Amino acid sequence: QSALTQPASVSGSPGQSITISCTGTSSDVGYYNSVSWYQQHPGKAPRLMIYDVSNRPSGVSNRFSGSKSGNTASLTISGLQAEDEADYYCSSYTTTRALFGGGTKLTVL
Amino acid sequence: EVQLVESGGGLVQPGGSLRLSCEASGFTFSTYSMNWVRQAPGKGLEWVSYSSSASDSLRYADSVKGRFTISRDNAKNSLYLQMNSLRVEDTAVYYCTRGRPGWYMDVWGKGTTVTVSS
Repeated sequence: QSALTQPASVSGSPGQSITISCTGTSSDVGYYNSVSWYQQHPGKAPRLMIYDVSNRPSGVSNRFSGSKSGNTASLTISGLQAEDEADYYCSSYTTTRALFGGGTKLTVL
Repeated sequence: EVQLVESGGGLVQPGGSLRLSCEASGFTFSTYSMNWVRQAPGKGLEWVSYSSSASDSLRYADSVKGRFTISRDNAKNSLYLQMNSLRVEDTAVYYCTRGRPGWYMDVWGKGTTVTVSS
């Protein structure tokens, strides 16, 4: 099954907001409220940032928010900070398996 | 502290086998589902396999089905991945992750590197 579709890169200046999209199908993102987002800094393990579309784990800044409309989920980061520069991956449950997006590299200018 | 520590990675020839281990600590391992996720060099994340808490539901990505076997020993707080008939394209960092309802993964290990090369 194909991976979810994310833009390869996004960028923004400190203090700005950016949004990363994650497009799937009516069998995964569009059907289940099981979209999650992960942040990965170079050489590090991924970190859970958003689960179940829009929930933040304890310890994750409220600058990170998630949403979904139809077959597309989105991660918004407000008040960009230098430390937000990383790769971001979306994931969705589909029948008996998990799917990941191809990843988006966020550059803070 | 909740922690997952992978081990068992290394260099293996195509067609060879390797067994990865993941030791869990800081939480009640037997009550959580677990996954293996891999990341090829310079590439994105790929889900590999899933085990329910009691091992009564096991799932695999199509790319590894029939070659990899996930298992766990709840008495030893450990998760395993037996990898047979390894291919060059299996080269990756393999992460052990704790699963939650909805299949999100809230705890990740640091990973172990598997290199398949002649």
